Parts: sequence; structure tokens; C-alpha cells
Amino acid sequence: QVQLVESGGGLVEPGGSLRLSCVASGFTFSDNYMSWIRQISGKGLEWVSYISSSGHSIYYADSVKGRFTISRDTAKNTLYLQMNNLRAEDTAVYFCARGGERQLEYFDYWGQGTLVTVSS
Amino acid sequence: EIVMTQSPATLSVSPGERATLSCRASQSVSNNLAWYQQKPGQAPRLLIYGASTRATGIPSRFSGSGSGTEFTLTISSLQSEDFAIYYCQQYNYYYTFGQGTKLEIK
Repeated sequence: QVQLVESGGGLVEPGGSLRLSCVASGFTFSDNYMSWIRQISGKGLEWVSYISSSGHSIYYADSVKGRFTISRDTAKNTLYLQMNNLRAEDTAVYFCARGGERQLEYFDYWGQGTLVTVSS
Repeated sequence: EIVMTQSPATLSVSPGERATLSCRASQSVSNNLAWYQQKPGQAPRLLIYGASTRATGIPSRFSGSGSGTEFTLTISSLQSEDFAIYYCQQYNYYYTFGQGTKLEIK
């Protein structure tokens, strides 16, 4: 069965960095677009970034552009999110989610999420 | 950015009754609309995609309709496990989510 397991969250000071990982299993990782989506406590969902199956097409939400970098390692079946220059407003639970085999499809599987807290 | 607006924010319904949730897009998203269910402490779960297609394993009491800018999620006979928060999401131009509708027990 499809599984996505995130890790790497934690407490970091404003201006600091963190790298999130998402290990995928139960499907051919290289077939699917992957995304990061975040949820501020008690609030709604915000898409953060996606990466194509090949890794050649990458997009970011304006709120993280220039600070976050998404990448994937097919050999390790792992999706990453490098987060730099973190701000208090980046505090959220970060989910990785599987997209389709084409651009702009729905998210059919989600990980359980990892909490990122940005605070001094 | 396409803004998704859900109504109502909270819906109180008795078990066994029907629930109707609405989602409006600020511009047409064709039928590129999904619905998700989220329970406390859990990740969202895909219910509906393509505005009206149930995802794998989703009970037939869940149905979606609409196209363009107006969409509806209907739960025909509420079960105890259906009380949760529901989000709509467009994937026609990048991705945006509605703010959610909390479905609570009346």
C-alpha cells in the first residue's frame, strides 16, 4: 500500500534552516508529481511547492519562493524540502502528498505530517 | 490566484440526515475540483476528484457535483465517522484550498 512518511520537523529560530524528508513506498516513486502542503495550527491548508516526476519542473507558492527548495531522490524514494530563512509565519504542520502522473492533479495520498515551529 | 470559498463555515446535522456543503471558485476551474476530509490529528483524505468521481474506497453516500465555479459535496445519510472538517481544492491553476467546513453533530 502507498505510504508517505515525513520527518525532519522541529523547533528552529527565526532565520534558521531545516530540511524535511518524505520517504515514499508502495508505488513507483518516479512516476508521480509530489508536493508539500502545510497547515497552520487550527487553520486551513496551503500548497507550498511541487516537483514533477522527472524533477525538471518545480513551482513554489509566492510565500516561500526564494527561501524553500524542493527536490527528490529517486534512488532513495525520498522527497525533500529545504527551508531557509525561516519566519514565524512558516510555523505549521508540513505534509507531503502524492500528485498524479501529469501536472496539476489532485492529491490521492498524504503523509501524516511533521511539525515545524519557528520561534526564538 | 484562484480563491476558493466554502460555506457554511460550520454545519450542524443529526446522524442519519443529509449534509450539503458548498464550494465556490473565484474563476472557472472546469471540473478540476477535489474534496478532502480531515479528522483531528490526521492528514486529509481524498474523497472526490474531478468534481464528482469518488476516490477508491469512499462510500457511495458521498457524492460531488458542479463545474465551473460552483460545487457541492453531499453526504446522503450521515454516519458518526463523517463528522470532520471538509476542504475543497482546485487544481486547475496551481492549487488552492477552501477554508474548510466543519461538520458537527447536532
